[in-house]
Amino acid sequence: GAGVSQSPSNKVTEKGKDVELRCDPISGHTALYWYRQSLGQGLEFLIYFQGNSAPDKSGLPSDRFSAERTGGSVSTLTIQRTQQEDSAVYLCASTPGGAGNYGYTFGSGTRLTVV
Amino acid sequence: RKEVEQDPGPFNVPEGATVAFNCTYSNSASQSFFWYRQDCRKEPKLLMSVYSSGNEDGRFTAQLNRASQYISLLIRDSKLSDSATYLCAYGSSNTGKLIFGQGTTLQVKP
Repeated sequence: GAGVSQSPSNKVTEKGKDVELRCDPISGHTALYWYRQSLGQGLEFLIYFQGNSAPDKSGLPSDRFSAERTGGSVSTLTIQRTQQEDSAVYLCASTPGGAGNYGYTFGSGTRLTVV
Repeated sequence: RKEVEQDPGPFNVPEGATVAFNCTYSNSASQSFFWYRQDCRKEPKLLMSVYSSGNEDGRFTAQLNRASQYISLLIRDSKLSDSATYLCAYGSSNTGKLIFGQGTTLQVKP
């Protein structure tokens, strides 16, 4: 597609359930990023995939969070045993290469609400 | 000290005013800098890239001061439609990712 696509756009889940968030980057973009933004807060880096390199997982807040990127394209962010503090907007972005040289194109995000 | 610091505002200005925001960063190895605009409940969108000493695009001017480690965004002749949150970000080729500030909120009033 023309832009970064994320699904679902909204997700309400019960505390303790697992959720999967999907990101489909711009075709040909080798780098893919996940961030989250809590209400009134800035963007918190979660994880970064670049080509076939090992992902930079340094921003994942706990071992309940994991992500994979299959075939160098679509990525799935999984949150296990969700907690209320996981409620946030989860944003995915992609770039043609490392973000040191390129700005991000963001998807419209997944708004996660844990009740 | 936070990696990137911005005054959250809000900055309330009348239409037609000139307004400027600053953003300070702590990593002297930073190589590229960006300003993003974020409307309420929307994703951030790239407004300007700042690669060297500065960049100008219409009413918007971004400047970089490496010695003092800050970037600025100047908006001239403010429009109601400029009301948004403005996020600054920096990146470096060795980390490959962008670090964002908390954002500065601008409200342009009629």
